Amino acid sequence: ETGVTQTPRHLVMGMTNKKSLKCEQHLGHNAMYWYKQSAKKPLELMFVYSLEERVENNSVPSRFSPECPNSSHLFLHLHTLQPEDSALYLCASSQLRGGNSPLHFGNGTRLTVT
Amino acid sequence: GENVEQHPSTLSVQEGDSAVIKCTYSDSASNYFPWYKQELGKGPQLIIDIRSNVGEKKDQRIAVTLNKTAKHFSLHITETQPEDSAVYFCAAILTGGGNKLTFGTGTQLKVEL
Repeated sequence: ETGVTQTPRHLVMGMTNKKSLKCEQHLGHNAMYWYKQSAKKPLELMFVYSLEERVENNSVPSRFSPECPNSSHLFLHLHTLQPEDSALYLCASSQLRGGNSPLHFGNGTRLTVT
Repeated sequence: GENVEQHPSTLSVQEGDSAVIKCTYSDSASNYFPWYKQELGKGPQLIIDIRSNVGEKKDQRIAVTLNKTAKHFSLHITETQPEDSAVYFCAAILTGGGNKLTFGTGTQLKVEL
């Protein structure tokens, strides 16, 4: 149990589908993050939420839409994705927002866009 | 641009040997350097971190060294065991990148019996 739970673990969707990824943290942290992990590339930060407010959006296409209803839950809504969006999507949380507060990652959702 | 370079991309060692992974960074103002271990099918897990006010930190079989002048830091694993096999990521805060944690591209470590 990592303290950060992501569902589903695997997702296959067509380019016209709409789906959502869910993340829940049980650590009492105040910041939550979405990262994209692609092969042979560094982890890419997509969104940051601090105290339920989005504080960062790293030029992510609008086909990715985050939602943070409370400090324990984070969603990533997906629609009209492209095959190049296939990747491992990782959720993370930290006590404080900021690079030097350790990140706690979930085990990710492996997304395949067909 | 601001980035973190990590080498090697793959590393194979015999059980019991030491493994060293090196990272360099471009921002002289960086002050926090964590290392993450990612096992197959899991998310990255923090294994050790170091801040710029120290040059070395050790936790059992793992240690990290930091050379701020040369802008590089390294992970050392001694007496490697099969369960050390994983992908290891270094990271650094790059102030030029908006004080965000920037990750290296990862090192696939394989410990062979």
